[in-house]
Amino acid sequence: GAVVSQHPSRVICKSGTSVKIECRSLDFQATTMFWYRQFPKQSLMLMATSNEGSKATYEQGVEKDKFLINHASLTLSTLTVTSAHPEDSSFYICSASDRGHGNTIYFGEGSWLTVV
Amino acid sequence: QKEVEQNSGPLSVPEGAIASLNCTYSDRGSQSFFWYRQYSGKSPELIMSIYSNGDKEDGRFTAQLNKASQYVSLLIRDSQPSDSATYLCAVKGGGADGLTFGKGTHLIIQP
Repeated sequence: GAVVSQHPSRVICKSGTSVKIECRSLDFQATTMFWYRQFPKQSLMLMATSNEGSKATYEQGVEKDKFLINHASLTLSTLTVTSAHPEDSSFYICSASDRGHGNTIYFGEGSWLTVV
Repeated sequence: QKEVEQNSGPLSVPEGAIASLNCTYSDRGSQSFFWYRQYSGKSPELIMSIYSNGDKEDGRFTAQLNKASQYVSLLIRDSQPSDSATYLCAVKGGGADGLTFGKGTHLIIQP
């Protein structure tokens, strides 16, 4: 089946620094990718919708200047957490929509971010 | 505001019994419905998708959809300890919309 790869799976960064998370669709072209955040024991919360070649659409309450999203190609979207703080520590998950299969959404493996 | 409601549980079911998970959604325009299983610390994995009213069976899993009642359910037959996880109900509109997730039901299968 379709595969979405996410990297890194775990990252620790210092407070105030930036960290980039990559999301790749490996065997299909994804014009739309989604970024979610999940805090412990809570559900996935959609942060933003990433559209290839255009600006991302952010959900209410998500700071677009803090969570920079770039979707430069049909197979790659990146999320950069800028000026990270400990409260940004979370599980970040991307997903990609496979238009060739009825817009079925496939998830990446997720990235654990710890800000110290 | 799209909402998806699930009982958070935990739902405890004896091994070999049927586990029944329920979900309601608020947006009548929703077109696609999904059940994901998520183990602790892992990404969700797709269990079932359903798009039309009625039942859809896949192995030990049966998804049921009732659009009039805005209700989706998942039945797991012959429950196994490995089925213990959080089950997320997700709903999607048309086109390239993202998924709206419920908070998940924590299922525990007792050996």
